[in-house]
Amino acid sequence: AQSVTQPDIHITVSEGASLELRCNYSYGATPYLFWYVQSPGQGLQLLLKYFSGDTLVQGIKGFEAEFKRSQSSFNLRKPSVHWSDAAEYFCAVGATDNTDKLIFGTGTRLQVFP
Amino acid sequence: NAGVTQTPKFRVLKTGQSMTLLCAQDMNHEYMYWYRQDPGMGLRLIHYSVGEGTTAKGEVPDGYNVSRLKKQNFLLGLESAAPSQTSVYFCASTYSFISPQETQYFGPGTRLLVL
Repeated sequence: AQSVTQPDIHITVSEGASLELRCNYSYGATPYLFWYVQSPGQGLQLLLKYFSGDTLVQGIKGFEAEFKRSQSSFNLRKPSVHWSDAAEYFCAVGATDNTDKLIFGTGTRLQVFP
Repeated sequence: NAGVTQTPKFRVLKTGQSMTLLCAQDMNHEYMYWYRQDPGMGLRLIHYSVGEGTTAKGEVPDGYNVSRLKKQNFLLGLESAAPSQTSVYFCASTYSFISPQETQYFGPGTRLLVL
């Protein structure tokens, strides 16, 4: 069965520092991979998606993620974090069984200090 | 184009009461989903629909029922609410993952408290 692991429950960084959020997935074939962000009290917003092709994916708000098949990983990165990036981040893998279901990780809460 | 909307935004129920959550989308999406979000557990799929008139169970379907009588609406019902159903409920819809630009679009959520 497909699964997603986000090993870091909570990460704290200083404003301006670089960021990497980890995501590992379990899936036999090439998956569709997603990163979503959720601000407090809000719904989920798509940051970026890996569909196929180039393994380095650019997203909104200056985020990028790299798909590494050999490591079953899809880590999210940002070179310089802003205070407004404080939120919860979810990695998800898309089912390819014609249901388009998403399987989510448990999320990583990002805290940003000034 | 309102996207995905959810009604109500917040509700308090007593144990044993029933209610229906409404999800509506105006993007002509075939696929619709109901998730619940609980602290430390991410989003878990309750039920989903791959088209008008179809429904299927997700990861945590017990205690919930759904209906998709119209393509644009997906209803989630709680027949006899329990405190364990206290959660934030999100609806989502999508056209298809096959298109590189497509993903699931989420509603703003419904916060449910069962006393």
